[in-house]
Amino acid sequence: NAGVTQTPKFQVLKTGQSMTLQCAQDMNHNSMYWYRQDPGMGLRLIYYSASEGTTDKGEVPNGYNVSRLNKREFSLRLESAAPSQTSVYFCASSANTGSRYGYTFGSGTRLTVV
Amino acid sequence: AQSVTQLDSQVPVFEEAPVELRCNYSSSVSVYLFWYVQYPNQGLQLLLKYLSGSTLVKGINGFEAEFNKSQTSFHLRKPSVHISDTAEYFCAVGGRNKLVFGAGTILRVKS
Repeated sequence: NAGVTQTPKFQVLKTGQSMTLQCAQDMNHNSMYWYRQDPGMGLRLIYYSASEGTTDKGEVPNGYNVSRLNKREFSLRLESAAPSQTSVYFCASSANTGSRYGYTFGSGTRLTVV
Repeated sequence: AQSVTQLDSQVPVFEEAPVELRCNYSSSVSVYLFWYVQYPNQGLQLLLKYLSGSTLVKGINGFEAEFNKSQTSFHLRKPSVHISDTAEYFCAVGGRNKLVFGAGTILRVKS
C-alpha cells in the first residue's frame, strides 16, 4: 500500500544544475500537487494538475516546471537551481480537485542548493 | 481567496496536560477545514477534517476540533497529550481547487 512515492529523498545540487523530482501515486487519484515547505512559512503550492493532461501554476511557480506524465506520475523540474530553492518538497494527490477530498502526501524530498 | 492563521508557532506542554492549537481562517467559498500532523522527517498525515454537519469533529489519536463559523476558527484540542504527540501541526482551508495551509504549530510535549 505505497500511496504517494517521491524520489529521491535527499539531494544536494550546485547552483545552476538541473534536476527532476519524481512523484507517483497508486490510488487512482485524478489530482496531484507539488508543495514546498520552508520554516515558518508552512506549505506553499508550486504547481498542480487537476487531471491527466492539465497543469496550473500555484502560489510560487517561478523557477520550476512540471509534467503530468500519466495519471500516476507528476514530476517537478528545476532547470537552473538557485540557493533560494533549498527546501523540502512534498508531492500530494487527491481523488479530485475540489478540496473536500483532502490530500495524501509523500514523505518528501530534502533539496539543498549550494 | 482563502487564508489560514495559526496563532502560535510553538506550544510547549507537559505530558498528560490538555492542549489547544489555534487556527483562524478566511474563505470566500464553502468551507472545508483540515488538520494535518507532521512527525519529524516525515510527510503530512490527515488528523481530521470538517466538511459539513456536526461542528465537533473527532480525529485520530484522540484529537478533536470544533468548527466555529461566527469566529471563523477551527481549533484543535486533546484532553491529555503524550510524548508521542510531539510534532508539527498544520491547519488547512479548502478552496475551489486546492488547500491553503497555515504556517504550522510545533507541539512540544515535555515529561
